[in-house]
Amino acid sequence: QVQLKESGPGLVQPSQTLSLTCTVSGFSLTSYNVHWVRQPPGKGLEWMGRMRYNGDTSYNSALKSRLSISRDTSKNQVFLKMNSLQTDDTGTYYCTRETVYWGQGVMVTVSS
Amino acid sequence: DIQMTQSPHSLSASLGETVSIECLASEGISNYLAWYQQKPGKSPQLLIYYASSLQDGVPSRFSGSGSGTQYSLKISNMQPEDEGVYYCQQGYKYPYTFGAGTKLELK
Repeated sequence: QVQLKESGPGLVQPSQTLSLTCTVSGFSLTSYNVHWVRQPPGKGLEWMGRMRYNGDTSYNSALKSRLSISRDTSKNQVFLKMNSLQTDDTGTYYCTRETVYWGQGVMVTVSS
Repeated sequence: DIQMTQSPHSLSASLGETVSIECLASEGISNYLAWYQQKPGKSPQLLIYYASSLQDGVPSRFSGSGSGTQYSLKISNMQPEDEGVYYCQQGYKYPYTFGAGTKLELK
């Protein structure tokens, strides 16, 4: 069945770079789009960006200068890298296949 | 970016009651509107896509309607498991944008 699972460090220092991995199973990254969505504690959802099935990417303009999404199709993984982290980047980060199937999310805290 | 204005911010409903949540887009989105339910500590769950199409496995008491810039989610016959936060989201233009959410509680 379709599964997505996010992984990465739970704690990141301010000004450092966040690296997250979304490992998928049950489908091919060359057939479906994978999106990243985040949610600050107690707040709403923010779309961050998308890895298209053909390798193209789209980003939220508010994050574009700091954000990079890539993939390794041989490992069934999609990567998120975001630099210059600040405390308001704290939250739960989700990967999702077309917003139908979602990972469980990974909580990231930005703090010294 | 397209702004999504969702209302109300919160509401409470009695068992069996019918409730509606509204979403207004800052420009036309050609029915590229999805609704999600999120429960505490859980990932969002897709309920409705393309404004009125019910996602597989979602109870038929959920329905969506609208066009242009105005959309709504209706929940008929409120059940305890319907408590949660509901979000609308436009998928017409990047960046995709979400409404601020509506918290639904059982009265």
